[in-house]
Amino acid sequence: GESVGLHLPTLSVQEGDNSIINCAYSNSASDYFIWYKQESGKGPQFIIDIRSNMDKRQGQRVTVLLNKTVKHLSLQIAATQPGDSAVYFCAENKGVAGGTSYGKLTFGQGTILTVHP
Amino acid sequence: GAGVSQSPSNKVTEKGKDVELRCDPISGHTALYWYRQRLGQGLEFLIYFQGNSAPDKSGLPSDRFSAERTGESVSTLTIQRTQQEDSAVYLCASSLDRGLKHYNEQFFGPGTRLTVL
Repeated sequence: GESVGLHLPTLSVQEGDNSIINCAYSNSASDYFIWYKQESGKGPQFIIDIRSNMDKRQGQRVTVLLNKTVKHLSLQIAATQPGDSAVYFCAENKGVAGGTSYGKLTFGQGTILTVHP
Repeated sequence: GAGVSQSPSNKVTEKGKDVELRCDPISGHTALYWYRQRLGQGLEFLIYFQGNSAPDKSGLPSDRFSAERTGESVSTLTIQRTQQEDSAVYLCASSLDRGLKHYNEQFFGPGTRLTVL
């Protein structure tokens, strides 16, 4: 079936390095792709999203890249800090006719990011 | 303002018992979602409520699972005759409907950790 998956289950970096977390998806009909951060014992927290008609979107210290040709999504975190340590999930959202997003999200398994001081 | 709240935060029950989990969405959010997260896994979609529309129940894993929502407020997820494989964190999220051409960010609660002995 269709799914969203991750290449790397764990990633360890030094404080100040840049981090790249990857995600592969298989549903070419998805309209939105979202990255969530989940800290231990908490619910996921929205980081950034990108619509399928874009290939790059930047936020504060984060950049999301979308390559529809190979169905690949990545999250880049600049100058990674210990507070960035968490599990990062990509998710996809299939839109509906008229352009509205539809609530059902399909999540990947997650990547554990550990930032060492 | 207050975020999404869930209760209880932890629930331990015996196999075969029924449990009821509660979600209080952010005030004014028309959409409400339930997800299940098994240990070390991503989130599995369970059910989606949007305003007065019929809920999308396509993610409910069996007829032991049901959910209700009163208007645009509280929702309860009920699991009947619990099984050990039901052990997981159950997450609730809510969102505004911002209409056309927007991704409607989902705000997650902290989850209820259910353990079935």
